[in-house]
Amino acid sequence: DTGVSQNPRHKITKRGQNVTFRCDPISEHNRLYWYRQTLGQGPEFLTYFQNEAQLEKSRLLSDRFSAERPKGSFSTLEIQRTEQGDSAMYLCASPGVEANTEAFFGQGTRLTVV
Amino acid sequence: RKEVEQDPGPFNVPEGATVAFNCTYSNSASQSFFWYRQDCRKEPKLLMSVYSSGNEDGRFTAQLNRASQYISLLIRDSKLSDSATYLCVVRPLSGGYSTLTFGKGTMLLVSP
Repeated sequence: DTGVSQNPRHKITKRGQNVTFRCDPISEHNRLYWYRQTLGQGPEFLTYFQNEAQLEKSRLLSDRFSAERPKGSFSTLEIQRTEQGDSAMYLCASPGVEANTEAFFGQGTRLTVV
Repeated sequence: RKEVEQDPGPFNVPEGATVAFNCTYSNSASQSFFWYRQDCRKEPKLLMSVYSSGNEDGRFTAQLNRASQYISLLIRDSKLSDSATYLCVVRPLSGGYSTLTFGKGTMLLVSP
């Protein structure tokens, strides 16, 4: 257990519905990343938070995606009007306090859009 | 050119074999390097960091060649439990924040 908690673990939704995922990072870590991983690919960066500030967003994060981290604690990732191409594993990562340390991943939320 | 490229897999090896994974990265400003392991349908987990002088952890040896922008992972005496996907990971900056950039991964299948 890395100390990073994500829920739900699995989500099946119909195309066009909105979904929201939650990540609770390691409590003393102020940085948080969201990644997306599709079958046969490595994780791809989506967005980065330092405390409550969203400091970087990938081009992968279309306007249907929004992420928040109120109060610099847990984070949510919302996808509006889901499409089949959104089906993937969504991973939250909590890097160590030091700049060059590893990132600890949550178990991910597996989204299937039908 | 992709930022991080790895050997396409899968690698099928018998127990006890030695297997080597190769990885190249395109950003010469990369400062931190890692190998992550990912089991099927699980999250990636750090296997080992990669240091400039090379480093070893039991049966695993990682090497870094900054001039060639090349990273390797050697696994000796493969075990069935080594079957997984191995992800090469780089981080561009040494300070502040920067994202981890992952390769596609190389799958290893160790058979009895």
